Amino acid sequence: KNQVEQSPQSLIILEGKNCTLQCNYTVSPFSNLRWYKQDTGRGPVSLTIMTFSENTKSNGRYTATLDADTKQSSLHITASQLSDSASYICVVSALSNDYKLSFGAGTTVTVRA
Amino acid sequence: ETGVTQTPRHLVMGMTNKKSLKCEQHLGHNAMYWYKQSAKKPLELMFVYNFKEQTENNSVPSRFSPECPNSSHLFLHLHTLQPEDSALYLCASSQQGFATNEKLFFGSGTQLSVL
Repeated sequence: KNQVEQSPQSLIILEGKNCTLQCNYTVSPFSNLRWYKQDTGRGPVSLTIMTFSENTKSNGRYTATLDADTKQSSLHITASQLSDSASYICVVSALSNDYKLSFGAGTTVTVRA
Repeated sequence: ETGVTQTPRHLVMGMTNKKSLKCEQHLGHNAMYWYKQSAKKPLELMFVYNFKEQTENNSVPSRFSPECPNSSHLFLHLHTLQPEDSALYLCASSQQGFATNEKLFFGSGTQLSVL
């Protein structure tokens, strides 16, 4: 079973509306959690990185929250735009000094006019 | 642009062909990675190079052969691939090779189709 589960798998929203994506993880001990945006045919681009002590972080219209006690994170997109259509990937790292990250399968967001 | 460039962007090859994927980073980083991304699945780490030395081979079949001539360039040599190897192959880099604590910068990937 994957240590990072994302939901929903995909969603469709109308331009201008808000949406929230969920990420649940079992990675332990926890170090940090990241959200990446991946446009079709491109590589992932970092949106936010949060450590244990941070429970919210914003990047423009993207706001990520973290509850390290319940091991849950969400990514909220405000006033969606057509350019927000992409896959959003949650990535969690354990408290270790190496290169092993746990990736979620992503949520595909489609914004329609 | 992320500072990580991958070529080619698309590749179609037969199972008996030999081809190579190329990655170049212009960020001055010391670590480079190969990831495989199959549809609807999480990214899978394949190889890690830290200061040109391979530090991870994540049980990858020998038909995939990495090469890292210097800290800025990374290759993935492909031979006798199988159709299930069709996927997006992503290259990434980070400052020191401790990806758990560093930001990863990804290239745009090579979309590989094996016929």
